[in-house]
Amino acid sequence: GDSVTQTEGLVTLTKGLPVMLNCTYQTTYSPFLFWYVQHLNEAPKLLLKSSTDNKRTEHQGFYATLHKSSSSFHLQKSSVQLSDSALYFCALSPITGNTGKLIFGLGTTLQVQP
Amino acid sequence: AQTIHQWPVAEIKAVGSPLSLGCTIKGKSSPNLYWYWQATGGTLQQLFYSITVGQVESVVQLNLSASRPKDDQFILSTEKLLLSHSGFYLCAWSLRGSGNTLYFGEGSRLIVV
Repeated sequence: GDSVTQTEGLVTLTKGLPVMLNCTYQTTYSPFLFWYVQHLNEAPKLLLKSSTDNKRTEHQGFYATLHKSSSSFHLQKSSVQLSDSALYFCALSPITGNTGKLIFGLGTTLQVQP
Repeated sequence: AQTIHQWPVAEIKAVGSPLSLGCTIKGKSSPNLYWYWQATGGTLQQLFYSITVGQVESVVQLNLSASRPKDDQFILSTEKLLLSHSGFYLCAWSLRGSGNTLYFGEGSRLIVV
């Protein structure tokens, strides 16, 4: 079946360092991949999305590239800030028509320290 | 611009009592609508989705029901709350052809005691 795997539950970093949050997926369909960010006591917000193989997509300093050959969509940033501390979800939408199916990973908490 | 509003913002309810949560989307015609549930610090579990008025698909069975009485309104309800219903309920919308790109409302926090 369709699934999303985020291997890190918690990532702790010092401000200014680079970060990569891992996301791999499994589906037999052509996928749409997403990253959502959720700050404490807030709703998730869309950060990035892509369905194009090997094309880098960027927003607010974060970037990710969908690699269909390795079924990956890792989230990266070159220099994290204190305000980046949040819960990050990778999500998969297998494109099979208007089914409303969106599968979220378990999430990775990013803690940025001064 | 589109707006999504959820109500109530928060509720404390007793086990066995009824519940009704609502959401309204303005500025978009015929959106797909969704209900998600999230335990504290947990992942987002899809509960229901609807692609049109009067049509709702259930994704998981949690003794909850959903209805879409109008194009811009989605209601989540139950007649008897369980302790396990506690959590953060999120309404979301997407447009057809967007790859199910979801935009969430601000959420309703429920504590069942």
